[in-house]
Amino acid sequence: AQKVTQAQTEISVVEKEDVTLDCVYETRDTTYYLFWYKQPPSGELVFLIRRNSFDEQNEISGRYSWNFQKSTSSFNFTITASQVVDSAVYFCALSGNILTGGGNKLTFGTGTQLKVEL
Amino acid sequence: DTGVSQNPRHKITKRGQNVTFRCDPISEHNRLYWYRQTLGQGPEFLTYFQNEAQLEKSRLLSDRFSAERPKGSFSTLEIQRTEQGDSAMYLCASSLISSNYGYTFGSGTRLTVV
Repeated sequence: AQKVTQAQTEISVVEKEDVTLDCVYETRDTTYYLFWYKQPPSGELVFLIRRNSFDEQNEISGRYSWNFQKSTSSFNFTITASQVVDSAVYFCALSGNILTGGGNKLTFGTGTQLKVEL
Repeated sequence: DTGVSQNPRHKITKRGQNVTFRCDPISEHNRLYWYRQTLGQGPEFLTYFQNEAQLEKSRLLSDRFSAERPKGSFSTLEIQRTEQGDSAMYLCASSLISSNYGYTFGSGTRLTVV
């Protein structure tokens, strides 16, 4: 069975602060994919990143960065210099191997509500 | 193509009534998924289609739920004899099997059963 844990229910920061959202996952698959999605108040899930289990390189995209550590089964997400527009619920998710049919569904964590205040 | 479209955006229904939601995926996507999201929770998988074939159903999908994807294009999700516990956001997503970007989600249909 697959499981994703986002222990932080809600985080509040002041604009321009850096913030890290934690994600810990469990899976028996040797090949799997990890995702982060952003859900603004409008409700649509916005794709942020997908990483496969063989690629442990950290990734940076603008103010966003991701730290994948297979040894601790974690895939943490950092927003640098946070902005009010970053306020949303952020979900970490896990799927099996998409290319071999195991990626039939995403298992989501319970999400972290991020509030960025002026 | 502007993304995954879901209709209606909101639905309020009385307990016991039937409701049907529609999802129009990105046209070239061969996979279509339905998820349910209750307040304060992450989305939970309900079912998925590859083209017109329904290949997997979650145990969350009770007998009152049925999904179809005729001709492998749009999909409908019907809930019969709605219960208050069915109140949730119903999300549709689509993907290509070999996509590097995973799933594209729609904005969802929020169902309220009163």
